[in-house]
Amino acid sequence: KQEVTQIPAALSVPEGENLVLNCSFTDSAIYNLQWFRQDPGKGLTSLLLIQSSQREQTSGRLNASLDKSSGRSTLYIAASQPGDSATYLCAVPNTDKLIFGTGTRLQVFP
Amino acid sequence: GAGVSQSPRYKVTKRGQDVALRCDPISGHVSLYWYRQALGQGPEFLTYFNYEAQQDKSGLPNDRFSAERPEGSISTLTIQRTEQRDSAMYRCASSLAPPGQGRWTEAFFGQGTRLTVV
Repeated sequence: KQEVTQIPAALSVPEGENLVLNCSFTDSAIYNLQWFRQDPGKGLTSLLLIQSSQREQTSGRLNASLDKSSGRSTLYIAASQPGDSATYLCAVPNTDKLIFGTGTRLQVFP
Repeated sequence: GAGVSQSPRYKVTKRGQDVALRCDPISGHVSLYWYRQALGQGPEFLTYFNYEAQQDKSGLPNDRFSAERPEGSISTLTIQRTEQRDSAMYRCASSLAPPGQGRWTEAFFGQGTRLTVV
């Protein structure tokens, strides 16, 4: 059974810091991994999708890496801003569904 | 449409009433998923459609929950005889292809329906 864990559960940092959010999964036989952002009262926004053949994927200040063999992905946020405050979720496919972690709640203060 | 649309955004209902939640996926997206999310948790899978066929309903908690997608586009999640424990955020997502089938499997979520059963 695929299980997804995210560490830390919560993170509070001053503006400008570089951040690393961690995602671990138990079954390494995945096709891809997706990172989402969740804002209170709003939907999930897809940030990055990494295919299993890729090791990294970048979008602006975001960089996601994937190491299938060790069952890990990291989301790197450069030069964090207060607007980055949200909950970040990773998800991996398991047959026909996505399995989500419980998320990292990030707060970036000015 | 431009994104996944869910309605209503908020629903308050009395215990015992039936509710119907609607999802309008991105045009052309083959796959449609329903998830339920409790506060402080990640979304949990409920059911999945490929076109109009319900391929997997293993996540539906009991037989009070049902879903349909009769024409392979709009989907409705129905909860009969609602109970307080059904209160949650219900999320719908769509993708061009099912998970695990290559690059066109990125899932896009709607804003969700917040259901409160009183």
